[in-house]
Amino acid sequence: EAQVTQNPRYLITVTGKKLTVTCSQNMNHEYMSWYRQDPGLGLRQIYYSMNVEVTDKGDVPEGYKVSRKEKRNFPLILESPSPNQTSLYFCASSLSSGRETQYFGPGTRLLVL
Amino acid sequence: ELKVEQNPLFLSMQEGKNYTIYCNYSTTSDRLYWYRQDPGKSLESLFVLLSNGAVKQEGRLMASLDTKARLSTLHITAAVHDLSATYFCAVEKRGAQKLVFGQGTRLTINP
Repeated sequence: EAQVTQNPRYLITVTGKKLTVTCSQNMNHEYMSWYRQDPGLGLRQIYYSMNVEVTDKGDVPEGYKVSRKEKRNFPLILESPSPNQTSLYFCASSLSSGRETQYFGPGTRLLVL
Repeated sequence: ELKVEQNPLFLSMQEGKNYTIYCNYSTTSDRLYWYRQDPGKSLESLFVLLSNGAVKQEGRLMASLDTKARLSTLHITAAVHDLSATYFCAVEKRGAQKLVFGQGTRLTINP
């Protein structure tokens, strides 16, 4: 089954404790992206990747890191989480950027205390 | 800076009625996407609109794009309860692979 998976789905952590949210797709998609969703703000793009080893900042990259060492995986790293990073995070992928719809993962709900 | 605004943000309507959700954006783009999100769920793609005048229809939903007016519409015909959800439009920044979303329109359809 074609899908985008994220882990964990739910996470409660404390300020400053490094964490990684994994994202994997099995569709051989080139383009992958991370978003955060906050009430009243819609979705905001954090980082995106056009292909392996090619990443770029979205609109809200501060406090996040990403890497794209393999085509299928695009982990999101919070090196020192803060309470303002409490949010619902979505990973998405598409065959390429621009003309293709994006497929979204199930989401990761993060609470930073 | 690309800004995307949807209106209305909240919409409560009766089954059988027609209505339209509007998506305005501030800078030139010719790629626009519509998504649906059910409560507690992920986003599901509805339409991809890639050129001026593009019109796509699926069931009771029809989306259109006017790039000159920087406006897309999502029209609901003879609404049914199953269409209750939050609808997002998203616009791709021209020349960049960035997607900017609107705030979303929460649609509630009452029997």
